[in-house]
Amino acid sequence: KAGVTQTPRYLIKTRGQQVTLSCSPISGHRSVSWYQQTPGQGLQFLFEYFSETQRNKGNFPGRFSGRQFSNSRSEMNVSTLELGDSALYLCASSLASGASYEQYFGPGTRLTVT
Amino acid sequence: AQKVTQAQTEISVVEKEDVTLDCVYETRDTTYYLFWYKQPPSGELVFLIRRNSFDEQNEISGRYSWNFQKSTSSFNFTITASQVVDSAVYFCALSEAGGGSYIPTFGRGTSLIVHP
Repeated sequence: KAGVTQTPRYLIKTRGQQVTLSCSPISGHRSVSWYQQTPGQGLQFLFEYFSETQRNKGNFPGRFSGRQFSNSRSEMNVSTLELGDSALYLCASSLASGASYEQYFGPGTRLTVT
Repeated sequence: AQKVTQAQTEISVVEKEDVTLDCVYETRDTTYYLFWYKQPPSGELVFLIRRNSFDEQNEISGRYSWNFQKSTSSFNFTITASQVVDSAVYFCALSEAGGGSYIPTFGRGTSLIVHP
């Protein structure tokens, strides 16, 4: 069974631009969660999508948004990039929504904002 | 508000030593989940264990064991006879558990270095 895949793996953007990251979950998994990891703030939960609906959301500004498609693939968008958005963005998938379901993580997308 | 504290920033041990990673949490919820994850140098988080707040039984899985104590709000992780492959950053996390909710709060992580 293929694992969670994230594209691209590395990305360099300029401040003010926008970026879209993609996550393909494990086949059969319907929930996708996104996380941001930075040296300063650590690992933080962004949001979770289940059946194309946002189920849970962390404490991030509206510049961070996402969506999920009918095949469970998910995209995350960050608009008006700031230097502080430089981070490793991790995606995780699980069978369904909720803390009782084990999450499987992808390798992450490393975003650098210059 | 939820909070997870991993006071140990970095631990360095020699192979075959036992090592315990500490995790202390704060929550007002009576129903919650606790987690441990491993992040090797490759960057991919690996799920290790989940424990709900009603299950205080300790768990052992091979060389790994977990000690959950609600009285001290702690969920510590012990690796017995550590190996070089155990070198990684380990994260403890907490999430409320009601109604399909999953909004985890992570500790800052403990970097474990196992020397041969």
